[in-house]
Amino acid sequence: GESVGLHLPTLSVQEGDNSIINCAYSNSASDYFIWYKQESGKGPQFIIDIRSNMDKRQGQRVTVLLNKTVKHLSLQIAATQPGDSAVYFCAEIRNTDKLIFGTGTRLQVFP
Amino acid sequence: EPEVTQTPSHQVTQMGQEVILRCVPISNHLYFYWYRQILGQKVEFLVSFYNNEISEKSEIFDDQFSVERPDGSNFTLKIRSTKLEDSAMYFCASSPDRGIHQPQHFGDGTRLSIL
Repeated sequence: GESVGLHLPTLSVQEGDNSIINCAYSNSASDYFIWYKQESGKGPQFIIDIRSNMDKRQGQRVTVLLNKTVKHLSLQIAATQPGDSAVYFCAEIRNTDKLIFGTGTRLQVFP
Repeated sequence: EPEVTQTPSHQVTQMGQEVILRCVPISNHLYFYWYRQILGQKVEFLVSFYNNEISEKSEIFDDQFSVERPDGSNFTLKIRSTKLEDSAMYFCASSPDRGIHQPQHFGDGTRLSIL
């Protein structure tokens, strides 16, 4: 069935290293994707978005890559810091108002 | 930076009772949303609201649920007769315009516990 999902439930990285969080989607009609960060006890926090007519977008220390051929989305975090520890969700919109969230990847940063 | 605020942060209610969750969206936003997250699961869409009416709703949003914008600032979710399975985090979100290509900004949620 159609889904937005994540390859890895937990990712552990050393402080200062780069992190890559992956997301697969199955609906080629999806036209907008967002990465959210959720810290414990808080709501999803917008990180970066990308439209389906793009394949890369950069923000501050973050880059999102979109590969429509294999329906794959990734979030790259440069020089990962302890404050980056959180659960990261990809979400998509398919011509409606509603966000469809993936199951999330927990990023753990250790010193 | 403007933010979505939700009250209360934690609500404990007896099964069968009515509960109202409150949200103040970002002031210049026009679209409002409710999502929920059952413990350990992903965030699920409940309803979107625009121009004082429901724009879209999910299967979860049955007759027990309703939304209202009673004044120019508040946006509420009411559950008429709560069930144990309504226990979850409920998140309000808002966006400047329709969801497509517009990031939705979330509040920190209300934890609803049904006893």
